[in-house]
Amino acid sequence: QKEVEQNSGPLSVPEGAIASLNCTYSDRGSQSFFWYRQYSGKSPELIMSIYSNGDKEDGRFTAQLNKASQYVSLLIRDSQPSDSATYLCAVKDSSASKIIFGSGTRLSIRP
Amino acid sequence: NAGVTQTPKFRILKIGQSMTLQCTQDMNHNYMYWYRQDPGMGLKLIYYSVGAGITDKGEVPNGYNVSRSTTEDFPLRLELAAPSQTSVYFCASTPSGGATGELFFGEGSRLTVL
Repeated sequence: QKEVEQNSGPLSVPEGAIASLNCTYSDRGSQSFFWYRQYSGKSPELIMSIYSNGDKEDGRFTAQLNKASQYVSLLIRDSQPSDSATYLCAVKDSSASKIIFGSGTRLSIRP
Repeated sequence: NAGVTQTPKFRILKIGQSMTLQCTQDMNHNYMYWYRQDPGMGLKLIYYSVGAGITDKGEVPNGYNVSRSTTEDFPLRLELAAPSQTSVYFCASTPSGGATGELFFGEGSRLTVL
């Protein structure tokens, strides 16, 4: 069974600080990686996708990918209370069209 | 534009009953997925489909069945409901199988089995 691992948290970060979320995956051949944000009682929504090693920036969000270490991370700069949510890491299976999710990290931004 | 529509939004079942969760998308996406999410947990893949007439098992398929007779519809059937199937069920679709695109999710169906 291919796996995606995340720390469940909760991760508490002061407002204005950088939040760092981490994810490891077992499928060495995976090429597509995603970060979803899920507010309580709502559906997940895509915030970042990354396909190549290195960093990808979009506004306050930066995704980092290291395929050799099988590691994906998400940095949120200038954290806001509205960033308080569960963040789900997702990985596309290398041999099928399955998209596998981690268990999610609950992030809390304290004022 | 409706996107992905799931019905019902809420349902209470008795142990041993059966039911079908409906999922329809109007974006002409080939790839469709069913996930379940237990409280405080991530999403677990139940079944997925890469096109009409083609379905395959995900991580947790036991106790469920699916069919895909059209591009638009991907119903999930629960046979002989058990308390362990109490969960929130999400249907999702994507045009590209996740290779480059995002998953479009429905609003979820909350199922309780008593």
